[in-house]
Amino acid sequence: AQKVTQAQTEISVVEKEDVTLDCVYETRDTTYYLFWYKQPPSGELVFLIRRNSFDEQNEISGRYSWNFQKSTSSFNFTITASQVVDSAVYFCALSEAGGFKTIFGAGTRLFVKA
Amino acid sequence: GAVVSQHPSWVICKSGTSVKIECRSLDFQATTMFWYRQFPKQSLMLMATSNEGSKATYEQGVEKDKFLINHASLTLSTLTVTSAHPEDSSFYICSAEEGQETQYFGPGTRLLVL
Repeated sequence: AQKVTQAQTEISVVEKEDVTLDCVYETRDTTYYLFWYKQPPSGELVFLIRRNSFDEQNEISGRYSWNFQKSTSSFNFTITASQVVDSAVYFCALSEAGGFKTIFGAGTRLFVKA
Repeated sequence: GAVVSQHPSWVICKSGTSVKIECRSLDFQATTMFWYRQFPKQSLMLMATSNEGSKATYEQGVEKDKFLINHASLTLSTLTVTSAHPEDSSFYICSAEEGQETQYFGPGTRLLVL
């Protein structure tokens, strides 16, 4: 069965601090996709990244970076120099290949204080 | 990117009434759409997979007679909450799959049943 675990329920940081959000997943599929989404208070999901299981290259996009390690089944997300606007709930998600039935983690609520 | 809309964005209804939520892919055709439910401070839980022209596939524990899904065209899926009760109050989010490449989420519909 597929499962996504985000052990950090809430994280609070001060602006300009770096913060890493952890994500551990379980799947029996050899081909799968991993995602990160941001959900601000408005509720609308904001897509951040998709990574397929064959691409273990780390990715950087501005202040965001992702570390995908199949050996530990982890797909961690780091925000560098956090800003108040980064305050939101962040979801890690996993979907099977050939379709997008997506399983979401419980989410990590990030508070960035000025 | 592609856009998925939901209507209404929020709805308040009396207990016992039925509520219909529409999910539309605005600039692409979606063979498959998904319906999620999110209770306050919880994660998104997949309710059902909606395939154009066929019956929806419901996740375990989701009552198909209570949550009626119709996917009559490649750009529209509807979710009808029949005989709504206060425990059905939630945030309902749809997503649409473009090809088998990408899933786009709608902005969500907040339902409050009094």
